Amino acid sequence: EAQVTQNPRYLITVTGKKLTVTCSQNMNHEYMSWYRQDPGLGLRQIYYSMNVEVTDKGDVPEGYKVSRKEKRNFPLILESPSPNQTSLYFCASSLLALEGLNQPQHFGDGTRLSIL
Amino acid sequence: KNEVEQSPQNLTAQEGEFITINCSYSVGISALHWLQQHPGGGIVSLFMLSSGKKKHGRLIATINIQEKHSSLHITASHPRDSAVYICAVRGGATNKLIFGTGTLLAVQP
Repeated sequence: EAQVTQNPRYLITVTGKKLTVTCSQNMNHEYMSWYRQDPGLGLRQIYYSMNVEVTDKGDVPEGYKVSRKEKRNFPLILESPSPNQTSLYFCASSLLALEGLNQPQHFGDGTRLSIL
Repeated sequence: KNEVEQSPQNLTAQEGEFITINCSYSVGISALHWLQQHPGGGIVSLFMLSSGKKKHGRLIATINIQEKHSSLHITASHPRDSAVYICAVRGGATNKLIFGTGTLLAVQP
């Protein structure tokens, strides 16, 4: 079954304790992206990757790191989490057409992070 | 002002009604996406369009590039259509998506 898998689904942790949210897709998609969703603000892009070893900042990259060592995996790293990073996080992937990101995105089920 | 604006923010309809959700944007775009987010939180891509009109079952999406406006229509609405509907645009030659804040739709039986 084609899917984007995020782990964990829920996490409560404390300020400053490094954490990683994993994202894996089995569709051989070139494009992967991380978003956060906050009430009243909607979805905002954190980082995206066009292919292996190619990553770029989205609109809200501060406090986050990503890596793309393999095509299927795109982990989101919070080196020193803070309470303002409490949010609902989504990973997504898609094919990249010749003209760029003109393919539907496939989303993971979301990860709800609470930073105390 | 947000680059992507949706209206209405909230919509309550009776089962069977025809529903329209609107999306206006202020940037040049190469594609527009409509997404559906159910109460459990999962997000599903409904449409991706760059011109004209697309139809899938009871859902129809249209876009007018000159007017920078898109609409999502639901015919014969059903309570299972209750969800948040999100518009997102791919701005110009970038590979980033800019999202509207969503329209919360509740269809009552």
